[in-house]
Amino acid sequence: DAGVTQSPTHLIKTRGQQVTLRCSPKSGHDTVSWYQQALGQGPQFIFQYYEEEERQRGNFPDRFSGHQFPNYSSELNVNALLLGDSALYLCASSFGQGRYEQYFGPGTRLTVT
Amino acid sequence: GDSVTQMEGPVTLSEEAFLTINCTYTATGYPSLFWYVQYPGEGLQLLLKATKADDKGSNKGFEATYRKETTSFHLEKGSVQVSDSAVYFCALGNSGGSNYKLTFGKGTLLTVNP
Repeated sequence: DAGVTQSPTHLIKTRGQQVTLRCSPKSGHDTVSWYQQALGQGPQFIFQYYEEEERQRGNFPDRFSGHQFPNYSSELNVNALLLGDSALYLCASSFGQGRYEQYFGPGTRLTVT
Repeated sequence: GDSVTQMEGPVTLSEEAFLTINCTYTATGYPSLFWYVQYPGEGLQLLLKATKADDKGSNKGFEATYRKETTSFHLEKGSVQVSDSAVYFCALGNSGGSNYKLTFGKGTLLTVNP
């Protein structure tokens, strides 16, 4: 059984560009949450998707948006990249709107230059 | 809002030493508490959890007890191994309506020397 997968593994972008990160949840899971982990910090909650809708959002600007597809996979989009967006982006999948265990993917390392 | 404060690192121990990593929290309602571990270059793995007061979570020799009176969830292991070297995150799970999100501490880097 494949766990949570994320792509790409690493990404380098320039300030002002846009980026899309992808996540496939663990089999049987219907909820995807996205977290940003800056270097040396704990992950911070960006938002959660369930039934193809954004259900809860953390303290992140509208430049951060997402999407969930009918097969439960998800994308995270970041527009107008800033240097401060450089971080490890983690996807976590779970069942039932995150109420049960959240399983994390390996993350996508985004570097903005 | 919810917050988690955990012991600043790094922590360096010799193999077979006793480990304690302190974690305290602030939250409304009835949160669940978790410890996650992150090995170099990897994502987070759930180490243990406790869903209500006085519950003890345990896994791979690690233990933590949910203490509501002291709002704490300290991680302990009686005898650490080199393979335990990693970053440990204390986290709180709470619901915003029907949705459930995790709030993490900043992490504690543990290095175990042979």
